[in-house]
Amino acid sequence: QLQLVESGGGVVQPGMFLRLSCAASGYSVSPYGLHWVRQAPGKGLEWVASISHAGGDDKYTADSVKGRFTISRDNSKNTLYLQMNNLKLEDTAVYYCARWGGTPRSGYYMDVWGKGTTVTVSS
Amino acid sequence: EIVLTQFPGTLSLSPGEGATLSCRASQSISNSDLAWYQQRPGQAPRLLIYGASSRASGIPDRFAGGGSGTDFTLTITRLEPEDFAVYSCQHYHHGGSPTWTFGQGTKVEIK
Repeated sequence: QLQLVESGGGVVQPGMFLRLSCAASGYSVSPYGLHWVRQAPGKGLEWVASISHAGGDDKYTADSVKGRFTISRDNSKNTLYLQMNNLKLEDTAVYYCARWGGTPRSGYYMDVWGKGTTVTVSS
Repeated sequence: EIVLTQFPGTLSLSPGEGATLSCRASQSISNSDLAWYQQRPGQAPRLLIYGASSRASGIPDRFAGGGSGTDFTLTITRLEPEDFAVYSCQHYHHGGSPTWTFGQGTKVEIK
């Protein structure tokens, strides 16, 4: 069974950077797209970025983080990354990785989630 | 950009009761692009419903999704203790640059 485990969270000052990782185990995620989704304290879920399956490698990023966050993947390591630069106070959140599930007919959704890693941006 | 509005914000119910949660889109969307998630306290979200009405693997049949156009519902019959959680709807937007949007969530709490 696929498991996703995020790491790399921590406490940083505004303007600094972090790189989050999401390691997959159980089977290869290369046939699948992957997402990053975040949740600020006491708030709802917010989509951050997505990357298509290994063959496509298209990347999509929410306007709120465009130009600062970059999603990437290393299929040889079965791992997803999120490079977060110029962090802002409002980036404080739990960051989840999730698998891009579905088909054009069924629609696209997030069907496997990690437990999340916490990022705190504070001066 | 399509905005999803969920209501009510909080539902206070007793175990064994039924619950109806609503998700309204700011414009008409395809049923296939609407999903629901459950998030228990301190846990990651879990996919419940995709395509507006299809239950995800392992989801009990007391959960049912419905609706079309701009108005969608998640119905839970006979609330179990583990069903008290936050429920969020999500829309997938097609296009050259796809996006995913979530509603703000409905909390189902024990009365």
